[in-house]
Amino acid sequence: DTGVSQDPRHKITKRGQNVTFRCDPISEHNRLYWYRQTLGQGPEFLTYFQNEAQLEKSRLLSDRFSAERPKGSFSTLEIQRTEQGDSAMYLCASSLGMFVEAFFGQGTRLTVV
Amino acid sequence: SQQGEEDPQALSIQEGENATMNCSYKTSINNLQWYRQNSGRGLVHLILIRSNEREKHSGRLRVTLDTSKKSSSLLITASRAADTASYFCATPMDTGRRALTFGSGTRLQVQP
Repeated sequence: DTGVSQDPRHKITKRGQNVTFRCDPISEHNRLYWYRQTLGQGPEFLTYFQNEAQLEKSRLLSDRFSAERPKGSFSTLEIQRTEQGDSAMYLCASSLGMFVEAFFGQGTRLTVV
Repeated sequence: SQQGEEDPQALSIQEGENATMNCSYKTSINNLQWYRQNSGRGLVHLILIRSNEREKHSGRLRVTLDTSKKSSSLLITASRAADTASYFCATPMDTGRRALTFGSGTRLQVQP
């Protein structure tokens, strides 16, 4: 296993379009996280899964955002009706349990024009 | 909610010098982690220190934790140009399922 992978690496979309990102965590990791990062800032927590259950969502996650992790494996993050303010790097991370190190993917850079 | 905040926001040093970054947090924690991020890339875990530890070493990295002051420091000794990156401290959220929360980072520039 080569680590956490995210697809696509870059996405340019027009305002109002829907986009979907995919994250493949390290195979035995039961916890999966999505973060958003804007230039010069640290990652901001969006949502978290333990296996297939979405256990926590940030207030940052408006109703235009939805995330799934079917069968507790890969995860998708969908943004509907994108806005320019959604432009950011979307990072996925996974870990084996609580209070341990998290492994991050390379991120998906979204640009909304 | 975000807990950790790093200081300074930016640091520029010469190769061979030591770099020290500080992190302050707000509530009780189980552990504190430091991550590194090269420009435009994902984060890489550097070191985890638990609340019952005061100091931890990993290669050229030294991390301290002072739970009474709710602060931690990351020391990089004998810095190299390849250490140029942003460094973040991360702590478990004080609510919910304890996902990691990050500060805004210290941007380290090591001049060759």
